[in-house]
Amino acid sequence: SVLTQPPSASGTPGQRVTISCSGSSSNIGSHTVNWYQHLPGTAPKLLIYSNNERPSGVPDRFSGSKSGTSASLAISGLQSEDEADYYCAAWDDSLNGHVVFGGGTKLTVL
Amino acid sequence: EVQLVESGGGLVQPGGSLRLSCAASGFTFSFYDMHWVRQTTGNGLEWVSGFGTAGDTYYLDSVKGRFTISRENAKNSLYLQMDSLRAEDTAVYYCARGNSTWYGAFDIWGQGTMVTVSS
Repeated sequence: SVLTQPPSASGTPGQRVTISCSGSSSNIGSHTVNWYQHLPGTAPKLLIYSNNERPSGVPDRFSGSKSGTSASLAISGLQSEDEADYYCAAWDDSLNGHVVFGGGTKLTVL
Repeated sequence: EVQLVESGGGLVQPGGSLRLSCAASGFTFSFYDMHWVRQTTGNGLEWVSGFGTAGDTYYLDSVKGRFTISRENAKNSLYLQMDSLRAEDTAVYYCARGNSTWYGAFDIWGQGTMVTVSS
C-alpha cells in the first residue's frame, strides 16, 4: 500500500491506543487525511475527516492528528466494540486524482 | 435516510464482464462525487474509480481500459462496467459518496457486492 500502517494493534478496555499512518509529500504531505473503521461484512464508516474532524455521531474518544507526511488515529477509553479494522486514506497528486489507502490495522481489544 | 445500495455482483469467468450498480437515496445525488472502492479477500481497501460532479472520471491504473464508471443523475445511480475481468479483480465492491465539503472524504458507503472471477 502507498500509505503504511502497522498490521495490528491491541489494548485492554479503558486504555488509549494509537495507530500510525506514514505517507509521502504527494499524499499526506499535500492533502488531508481521513480515517475509516471497518467491521468485516459491513459498510466501512468514516471516523475522522480532514485530519482531525469527527462526523456527527462519532464519539470524542476518537481523535486524529497529522504532522508532515504522517498521521495518527488515537482511541481513548478503549471499548470492546472498537475491535475492527482501521484505514487511513488521502488523495495522491502523483496518481492523477487517485485516493490511496493504508493497508489497514486490525485492532484487538484484549 | 441517506443510503447506497449496490447490486450486480456474482461469479464470472476470467475474461468475462459484469456491470455493477449503486442506487442512491436520501440526498441530491447530482451534487456529489461518487466512487467505487474494493476489498480483496485478506487485503485492505483499494480505491478503484471515481466520477466527479463535473463529469471527470478517474481510474486505478490496474483497471484503466477495462473498467468504465458512469452515472445517471436522473436515476440517482452509479455504475461500474467491468470487462476483461481477472482473478485479481475478485473482491467486495463498495459504492461510496465523496463529500467535497469534507475535502472529498467518503462519508457514506454501501454494504458492498461480491465479485468472484474464477473458472
